[in-house]
Amino acid sequence: GENVEQHPSTLSVQEGDSAVIKCTYSDSASNYFPWYKQELGKGPQLIIDIRSNVGEKKDQRIAVTLNKTAKHFSLHITETQPEDSAVYFCAASNGGGANNLFFGTGTRLTVIP
Amino acid sequence: GAGVSQSPSNKVTEKGKDVELRCDPISGHTALYWYRQSLGQGLEFLIYFQGNSAPDKSGLPSDRFSAERTGGSVSTLTIQRTQQEDSAVYLCASSLAGGSYQPQHFGDGTRLSIL
Repeated sequence: GENVEQHPSTLSVQEGDSAVIKCTYSDSASNYFPWYKQELGKGPQLIIDIRSNVGEKKDQRIAVTLNKTAKHFSLHITETQPEDSAVYFCAASNGGGANNLFFGTGTRLTVIP
Repeated sequence: GAGVSQSPSNKVTEKGKDVELRCDPISGHTALYWYRQSLGQGLEFLIYFQGNSAPDKSGLPSDRFSAERTGGSVSTLTIQRTQQEDSAVYLCASSLAGGSYQPQHFGDGTRLSIL
């Protein structure tokens, strides 16, 4: 089955700096890669996703890049703000029967004002 | 519009008791998923429902776990004879349809504590 690894597990940045979170996956058939933000006591919220036929996608301060050859994808947050502080999860799916997502173990991002 | 709704938000029960967790998906979403999130961990897939098809139960950790989805909408996850290792947050997600590229939208989960 798919195995998704995520690094780092914790990340602290100064407000206004950029944050980068990296994930690798094992199943070359995976073709859909969403990123979720989870705040304390809440469910994960989808913030951006990318399909395997695209190398990069951007939405305001958030961007995701995908390298299919190396089987890794990254989340980039620019001009970080305190409200960006949360746990971020990457996930991968091969769109197979269940299309269930395989999640990384999360990155706790702290933005220091 | 309304998102995925889960109840109860918290559940504390004694070891050996049965528990039922409820999920109301987003209206019109045909696919429904249950995941489990243990403390400090990522999410672990449990079960998937798509329309009237037989559910994919490949993620259920033991035969004490079961789920059903009535009328293609509301779903209940049942854990029988609960054990302490069942303590976790149980999350439900729904998507417009099954298959690739369909974003999954999550509820806020049920935090289950087994004493």
